[in-house]
Amino acid sequence: EVQVVDSGGGLVKPGGSLRLSCAASGFTFSYAWMTWVRQAPGEGLEWVGRIKSETDGGTTDYAAPVKGRFTISRDDSKNTVYLQMNSLKTEDTAVYYCTKDIPLTRGGALAYWGQGALVTVSS
Amino acid sequence: EIVMTQSPATLSVSPGERTTLSCRASQSVSSDVVWYQQKPGQAPRLLIYGASTRATGIPARFSGSGSGTEFTLTISSLQSEDFAVYYCQQYNDWPYSFGQGTKLEIK
Repeated sequence: EVQVVDSGGGLVKPGGSLRLSCAASGFTFSYAWMTWVRQAPGEGLEWVGRIKSETDGGTTDYAAPVKGRFTISRDDSKNTVYLQMNSLKTEDTAVYYCTKDIPLTRGGALAYWGQGALVTVSS
Repeated sequence: EIVMTQSPATLSVSPGERTTLSCRASQSVSSDVVWYQQKPGQAPRLLIYGASTRATGIPARFSGSGSGTEFTLTISSLQSEDFAVYYCQQYNDWPYSFGQGTKLEIK
């Protein structure tokens, strides 16, 4: 059974940093593209970014609002993906979901979602 | 960036009725569209990918259609558990993008 478990959320001051982790199981992690999606309170879904598998280059892509501040990385030996968030702003307050796609959809069809990690940016 | 526009924002429907939700892309996305269902306090659930393929475990009353710029999600006979927010999303070109959502509420 595929499982994706987010962790690491919390309260942080504007300008601060936080790292989220996502532990995955039930599939061959090294082949998977992993994606982070967020949802601000009462709002819709928003892409954060993705990391491709090492076999596909292991490159990352980010949405414009977080580019240059957020970094996605992976450790295939631990079946874990990370979201490092720096220079946090109040508008980054959201539930952050780690997700996995259906194979061959280029990280597009997100079939497996973590439970979400709440990040609150406030002074 | 491709903009996905859903209509209507809110839809009031009675249980047992058939309903159709719409999603329009600002440029062609081929058939690279998915639909999600989200209930309060839960993560989204994938319903449809490739515009018309039901995900594993999704009931047959959910169907998707469309290509290019116009897409629809149809629920053939609404059940009580179907009242939720529905999002479309394109994965044809990065950055991928979500629609703003359609809230399906009980009439």
